[in-house]
Amino acid sequence: GAGVSQSPRYKVAKRGQDVALRCDPISGHVSLFWYQQALGQGPEFLTYFQNEAQLDKSGLPSDRFFAERPEGSVSTLKIQRTQQEDSAVYLCASSSAVNNEQFFGPGTRLTVL
Amino acid sequence: AQSVTQLDSHVSVSEGTPVLLRCNYSSSYSPSLFWYVQHPNKGLQLLLKYTSAATLVKGINGFEAEFKKSETSFHLTKPSAHMSDAAEYFCVVSDRASGTYKYIFGTGTRLKVLA
Repeated sequence: GAGVSQSPRYKVAKRGQDVALRCDPISGHVSLFWYQQALGQGPEFLTYFQNEAQLDKSGLPSDRFFAERPEGSVSTLKIQRTQQEDSAVYLCASSSAVNNEQFFGPGTRLTVL
Repeated sequence: AQSVTQLDSHVSVSEGTPVLLRCNYSSSYSPSLFWYVQHPNKGLQLLLKYTSAATLVKGINGFEAEFKKSETSFHLTKPSAHMSDAAEYFCVVSDRASGTYKYIFGTGTRLKVLA
């Protein structure tokens, strides 16, 4: 069956450019999470959606980061005016309900030059 | 606050010998704990999970972990390492206190398997 998919898999951006990263969760999964994994580190929480509601955005590092899930399915993480420190792998995960196992996508590797 | 500490950043074992990856947790609630594996350029794969049922948890590929409340530990073991086990391993606690059950990851242990 289809798992969590993310696109693009790789993105190279020049410093100052805006980027948009897409996540397609498993069909029917109400919970959706975004994580950031810097090189050599464990993933760190960015934000959480339950259906279309963004219930927790405490992990977003700055106001340049914005996430949405307007119809409660696909989600987009947008980073404005990218900086070199934004270079990381961005992981999306979904689960069928809160406190259920999270299933991870393959990630988008963002490199900011 | 909930957290996990992975005690070793790198572990090397010979093929066919036992594997031990150590994890200690901190939680004010009865924790939900997980071990995930990440192969190079691949996504995170769940190995096993503890959710307050049996303290000895069996996972995929011969891995298991034992929840020890008295030691606040959740170490991952495998009796005999295989070359394909070489990867990055993450110990994870689910943050029940936040209400979102977001995952809090350890810093990872890179397992190297020597032929």
